[in-house]
Amino acid sequence: AQSVTQPDIHITVSEGASLELRCNYSYGATPYLFWYVQSPGQGLQLLLKYFSGDTLVQGIKGFEAEFKRSQSSFNLRKPSVHWSDAAEYFCAVGVPNAGNMLTFGGGTRLMVKP
Amino acid sequence: NAGVTQTPKFRVLKTGQSMTLLCAQDMNHEYMYWYRQDPGMGLRLIHYSVGEGTTAKGEVPDGYNVSRLKKQNFLLGLESAAPSQTSVYFCASSSSTSGMWETQYFGPGTRLLVL
Repeated sequence: AQSVTQPDIHITVSEGASLELRCNYSYGATPYLFWYVQSPGQGLQLLLKYFSGDTLVQGIKGFEAEFKRSQSSFNLRKPSVHWSDAAEYFCAVGVPNAGNMLTFGGGTRLMVKP
Repeated sequence: NAGVTQTPKFRVLKTGQSMTLLCAQDMNHEYMYWYRQDPGMGLRLIHYSVGEGTTAKGEVPDGYNVSRLKKQNFLLGLESAAPSQTSVYFCASSSSTSGMWETQYFGPGTRLLVL
């Protein structure tokens, strides 16, 4: 069965600093990988996704993620964090051809210092 | 175009009571999902549906039932609520294209407290 681990439960960065959120997955085949963001009291919004091809994928709001098969990782990055990026971030792996189910990691809560 | 909506937004139940959460989508999506979100555990799939009249179990189905009588609606039922079902419940939907992955769109969530 697939699984996703987000090692950092909380991360605090200063506004303008760079950001990297870690995600490790376990899946027996080529994974479909996703990053979602959840602002307080809101549902989840898709930031970006990786299916195949170029291992560096660009998303919305200036985020990018890099797929590294050798490390089973799909880390999320942003060069310069804005206060509005404070939210909870979820990495997920998708199971194709089975109702397109998603398995989520536990989430990383990002706080941004002024 | 409202997307995915959930009713109610917040509910308090006593142990043993029953209730139904309603999810509605206006995007003509085939697939619909119910998740629960608990601190530190991310979202876990309860049940899902790949089409009208069909449902299937997800990762944590015990204590819940679902129905998909209409394509646009997906109902989640708790027959006898337990404190362990205190959680935030999210509904999602996606279209289905053979051989392709379609993005899941999420509703705003229902916060349920079972006393």
